[in-house]
Amino acid sequence: GQQLNQSPQSMFIQEGEDVSMNCTSSSIFNTWLWYKQEPGEGPVLLIALYKAGELTSNGRLTAQFGITRKDSFLNISASIPSDVGIYFCAGPEENNNDMRFGAGTRLTVKP
Amino acid sequence: SQTIHQWPATLVQPVGSPLSLECTVEGTSNPNLYWYRQAAGRGLQLLFYSIGIDQISSEVPQNLSASRPQDRQFILSSKKLLLSDSGFYLCAWAGGAGVNEQFFGPGTRLTVL
Repeated sequence: GQQLNQSPQSMFIQEGEDVSMNCTSSSIFNTWLWYKQEPGEGPVLLIALYKAGELTSNGRLTAQFGITRKDSFLNISASIPSDVGIYFCAGPEENNNDMRFGAGTRLTVKP
Repeated sequence: SQTIHQWPATLVQPVGSPLSLECTVEGTSNPNLYWYRQAAGRGLQLLFYSIGIDQISSEVPQNLSASRPQDRQFILSSKKLLLSDSGFYLCAWAGGAGVNEQFFGPGTRLTVL
């Protein structure tokens, strides 16, 4: 199915740096979900957003549901080596409720 | 609490052989169930989803099929594997109508030689 536009595709950062990634769509979403996938494992749900403008934190992670309902971003503060993985955005479209996934942002953290 | 299991964890099969991957969910009833395939370094491709026993919807035409013989069991099958069937297969569950969060199993790594 159609994927969300997720960027950047990959990031190489130094431990301690902050990270920001985002997801955009041409259609309106009811919910935004952010997942993390480590090598050889299934994605794990990090944050779920339900309302436009909502800002939600989970430890060092913060995600926001865009006001237009067509975008979302995920920030990671003070990155650590265990933040390494692929981060996916996902959500159901308003009109058909089909779940869409971004292509993922591959994060590498150098100690 | 809910848990989701997949087996086997890894599988190496020759071209033309059959396939059966199993997914089971514990701790919830009447979940929506999903099969995804993930190619190396790529995003998730939805293959099948099910809203109830024997109710299967296919998202892409292919030589794979899915079945849901019990409420919390979802099976992915093939009669004859192709090289292009190699990938990482993920099962997921969601709480039903109106619940959007999907929770994924640990995955099965399939290599077709």
